Amino acid sequence: EAGVAQSPRYKIIEKRQSVAFWCNPISGHATLYWYQQILGQGPKLLIQFQNNGVVDDSQLPKDRFSAERLKGVDSTLKIQPAKLEDSAVYLCASSLERQFFSGNTIYFGEGSWLTVV
Amino acid sequence: TQLLEQSPQFLSIQEGENLTVYCNSSSVFSSLQWYRQEPGEGPVLLVTVVTGGEVKKLKRLTFQFGDARKDSSLHITAAQPGDTGLYLCAGGLGSARQLTFGSGTQLTVLP
Repeated sequence: EAGVAQSPRYKIIEKRQSVAFWCNPISGHATLYWYQQILGQGPKLLIQFQNNGVVDDSQLPKDRFSAERLKGVDSTLKIQPAKLEDSAVYLCASSLERQFFSGNTIYFGEGSWLTVV
Repeated sequence: TQLLEQSPQFLSIQEGENLTVYCNSSSVFSSLQWYRQEPGEGPVLLVTVVTGGEVKKLKRLTFQFGDARKDSSLHITAAQPGDTGLYLCAGGLGSARQLTFGSGTQLTVLP
């Protein structure tokens, strides 16, 4: 079974530039998540989709971050304009079910590493 | 303020030693998960504990969920270099539609 695919793996941009990350979840997974992981910290949820609808985006900095999941499959996360503090790994994850419970495993991609200089 | 505090933040031990890492919170979690994350990879689920006082074993790894469901521990027996990685605990709150992660314990096992 193919895992969660993300691209690009690495990106270096200057502050105030824009960047977009792409995610393809595991086939059949209705729930898709974007997490931000700053070096030395645990992942922080930015946005959660159920099919193509947003379930939770309370921690998404909406003045500069946007995300969409058209057709309920692939998703893109965009940052515009980027700030130095946005340097982090952006992890996409997916799961079959919406709720977090014992039988619902969340699978993570390898992440997209962003450095803002 | 982190909802989930993990300790120690860093741990470096020799192969064959035992170790315990801790995950603590003032909040009650409906369930708690442990993940291992290797460099350049995403976190991979190790175990989910649901019931207060529950103990689960995964080969040399023993996971315990506190009676009050506010804390958890991970004990590794006879650590091996392959156990090296970032260990993350993550808990589900309330209706548990999302996970809250701790800051992690970076474990290095030296050969």
